[in-house]
Amino acid sequence: RKEVEQDPGPFNVPEGATVAFNCTYSNSASQSFFWYRQDCRKEPKLLMSVYSSGNEDGRFTAQLNRASQYISLLIRDSKLSDSATYLCVVWRSSASKIIFGSGTRLSIRP
Amino acid sequence: NAGVTQTPKFQVLKTGQSMTLQCAQDMNHEYMSWYRQDPGMGLRLIHYSVGAGITDQGEVPNGYNVSRSTTEDFPLRLLSAAPSQTSVYFCASSVSQGRETQYFGPGTRLLVL
Repeated sequence: RKEVEQDPGPFNVPEGATVAFNCTYSNSASQSFFWYRQDCRKEPKLLMSVYSSGNEDGRFTAQLNRASQYISLLIRDSKLSDSATYLCVVWRSSASKIIFGSGTRLSIRP
Repeated sequence: NAGVTQTPKFQVLKTGQSMTLQCAQDMNHEYMSWYRQDPGMGLRLIHYSVGAGITDQGEVPNGYNVSRSTTEDFPLRLLSAAPSQTSVYFCASSVSQGRETQYFGPGTRLLVL
């Protein structure tokens, strides 16, 4: 079983829709959580960090559920430019380990 | 600032050849790392460095060497290329490991025949 698991998708949704992804992690000692965005044939870039209290950045909301060991990303009013792969990233300081999920592919259609 | 730069962008090698992938950053970051990305596997850590003169192995180090003689540069050497090393390679840097944003280079696409 992978330490960080994501639904690979693809999610294909119309412009303006709301879409949500989940990511589960298996090690309860994980401490920091992030969402990165990767466009086709490009490098990953930080989208947002995920805090215990949840956090929002414009149309994007990230949540952390430590009890169930998952993080989520909600995108509201989706735009064509949101089409990308979204990578869930987890850091565990005890092992000095950063683990990337395989990514969830999102495609927004007009 | 150029950020993180990688060369070359593309490379084709024959089995058994060696080569060095270059990575440089101009943000004075202490932490640098190399990843490979394969379909369905996500990014996997090859080697990392927490500062000049200090390197350590990641998840998939076999077949690769690194050195860190300066803060700016972190080259990755393929000793004897194998078809299993066909992949996209990303270099990344950050202020420190873990909590900080990682900045990635544009990647090197490597094909080993």
